[in-house]
Amino acid sequence: AQRVTQPEKLLSVFKGAPVELKCNYSYSGSPELFWYVQYSRQRLQLLLRHISRESIKGFTADLNKGETSFHLKKPFAQEEDSAMYYCALSNTGKLIFGQGTTLQVKP
Amino acid sequence: DAGVTQSPTHLIKTRGQHVTLRCSPISGHKSVSWYQQVLGQGPQFIFQYYEKEERGRGNFPDRFSARQFPNYSSELNVNALLLGDSALYLCASSHGGTGGYSYEQYFGPGTRLTVT
Repeated sequence: AQRVTQPEKLLSVFKGAPVELKCNYSYSGSPELFWYVQYSRQRLQLLLRHISRESIKGFTADLNKGETSFHLKKPFAQEEDSAMYYCALSNTGKLIFGQGTTLQVKP
Repeated sequence: DAGVTQSPTHLIKTRGQHVTLRCSPISGHKSVSWYQQVLGQGPQFIFQYYEKEERGRGNFPDRFSARQFPNYSSELNVNALLLGDSALYLCASSHGGTGGYSYEQYFGPGTRLTVT
């Protein structure tokens, strides 16, 4: 079955600390993976996708097919990074989301 | 462009009633997808339409139906509402392209449905 797992519901770090939001997936085939972010009172928006290999707002994510993971990382967290983060897998156009991780960056 | 728009923003319905939710995609986008987001969970895929044809259907009962119009806007209909249908319903649009696969999806603000 195709599934996305985000094991942490809440991740709380201090400003300037490194951040790693975990995401594991199960998918038979070549997955296309995304990270979406939802800031307070804003709509869900794409943060990054693995095929573009970009760094957006200082965040990066590497697809590890051996470990079936797509963890989101940022070396130095900022208070404005506080938001809900969803890992998602694309299966012929439909998105399969994880349950989401709330990132709380404390001053 | 205002982005993806959805109406209404909120609504309250009683068990057994019917509801219609509406979505207007970004201009030029031909694909619309619907997702249900229950509190505390990630969005769950309900339907995808591309060029007015159903391209995918999630694991939802037949009480859920949708359609896409010639102007690419879309409606989601839910019949015989249950308490468990209370959720945020999200619409997302994308270019679609060939087969409507794996293009970036842009989400609307959602419609908050409460069933009492």
